[in-house]
Amino acid sequence: GNSVTQMEGPVTLSEEAFLTINCTYTATGYPSLFWYVQYPGEGLQLLLKATKADDKGSNKGFEATYRKETTSFHLEKGSVQVSDSAVYFCALSDRDDMRFGAGTRLTVKP
Amino acid sequence: EPEVTQTPSHQVTQMGQEVILRCVPISNHLYFYWYRQILGQKVEFLVSFYNNEISEKSEIFDDQFSVERPDGSNFTLKIRSTKLEDSAMYFCASSDLPGGSSYNEQFFGPGTRLTVL
Repeated sequence: GNSVTQMEGPVTLSEEAFLTINCTYTATGYPSLFWYVQYPGEGLQLLLKATKADDKGSNKGFEATYRKETTSFHLEKGSVQVSDSAVYFCALSDRDDMRFGAGTRLTVKP
Repeated sequence: EPEVTQTPSHQVTQMGQEVILRCVPISNHLYFYWYRQILGQKVEFLVSFYNNEISEKSEIFDDQFSVERPDGSNFTLKIRSTKLEDSAMYFCASSDLPGGSSYNEQFFGPGTRLTVL
């Protein structure tokens, strides 16, 4: 079945550091891929998405490229801010459900 | 901007009691979902609902769970006899296209924290 594996956290970075959170997936079809963010005490918010191979999703300085050959959708940001501290979830959808990764907690220190 | 709303934000109940979690999806959406997140763990799919019936459910969604769209706006999750392990954050989501669509985006509500004592 479909599944998502993402880098275990927690990840702690200094402000302005480069961020990578790895995500790989297993799917039988051609899923859409997503990154969701969960800020403390809040629900899930869509951060970015990509719907087909080689698409790049981007939002708020975050980027992720749908790589079919490596079945990956790694999240990157060139310069993180304290306000980026949150839990990040990689997810895929190709049917009626959405499969989430375990989540990676990011803490950015000033 | 339209959003998914959920009530209550926090529900505390005794083991064995029935609870109903309520969601108001975005008004023109047709596909509805429930997910749960046990504290510190991953978000898990429970069920999807379309055209007044369940279209898919996970192994978590056993006979203790049911969903309903009682009117044109609400979408509810009922747990018949709660267990301690049902304590979790429950998220409702809705979309205007099915999960298989290339343009599917599920919009999530803020969640209901269920605590079973």
